[in-house]
Amino acid sequence: DVVMTQSPLSLTVSLGQPASISCRSSQSLVYSDGNTFLNWFQQRPGQSPRRLIYKVSNRDSGVPDRFSGSGSGTDFTLKISRVEAEDVGVYYCMQGTHSWTFGQGTKVEIK
Amino acid sequence: EVQLVQSGAEVRQPGATVKISCKVSGYTFSDFYIHWVQQAPGKGLEWMGLIDPEDGGTIYAEKFQGRVTISADTSIDTAYMELSSLRSEDTAVYYCSTGGLWWGQGTQVTASS
Repeated sequence: DVVMTQSPLSLTVSLGQPASISCRSSQSLVYSDGNTFLNWFQQRPGQSPRRLIYKVSNRDSGVPDRFSGSGSGTDFTLKISRVEAEDVGVYYCMQGTHSWTFGQGTKVEIK
Repeated sequence: EVQLVQSGAEVRQPGATVKISCKVSGYTFSDFYIHWVQQAPGKGLEWMGLIDPEDGGTIYAEKFQGRVTISADTSIDTAYMELSSLRSEDTAVYYCSTGGLWWGQGTQVTASS
């Protein structure tokens, strides 16, 4: 099974400051068709998960452009360029290349 | 507008079976896999399995293999997740999702005597 490891597991950020979350997979996420199925989700308290980024770096519709994804192979990053109050929640990376596996989650709080 | 509407909260005794539904609207049901995800209290997301509504094919996570059954009724655009031999650790919110983009509202399942 693919293991997804996120770091840090907790992040406290001042409003307007950048934030970065790392995600590492135990094996390559490049699928046989050349796509890399690495997604990022946001889960606000009491809500269902919301997908922010799909296939490493593609923002879903309605996702603010302060969110960006990057990476390749086994190492990936989610960046928030300027954290806003509504960004509080838990962020998960998820690989969809070999069934699905989620990272442990990173809790983002405002300082 | 795509919607995934799940059935309501359930309480079961340990050892019992629970079956949750996920009613889809807004797209052709057979076009996308439906996944089920477990979230225990205060914990992260754990993938349980998926179904291809077009042919009924399923894949289950090893952790739940043997206890989970995912099915679909294409006549009513509804997917189901049945979990048997419930134990206290199965107390969780269960979500259905289409490809990770669309999610149900979650169903609370409590396994308690």
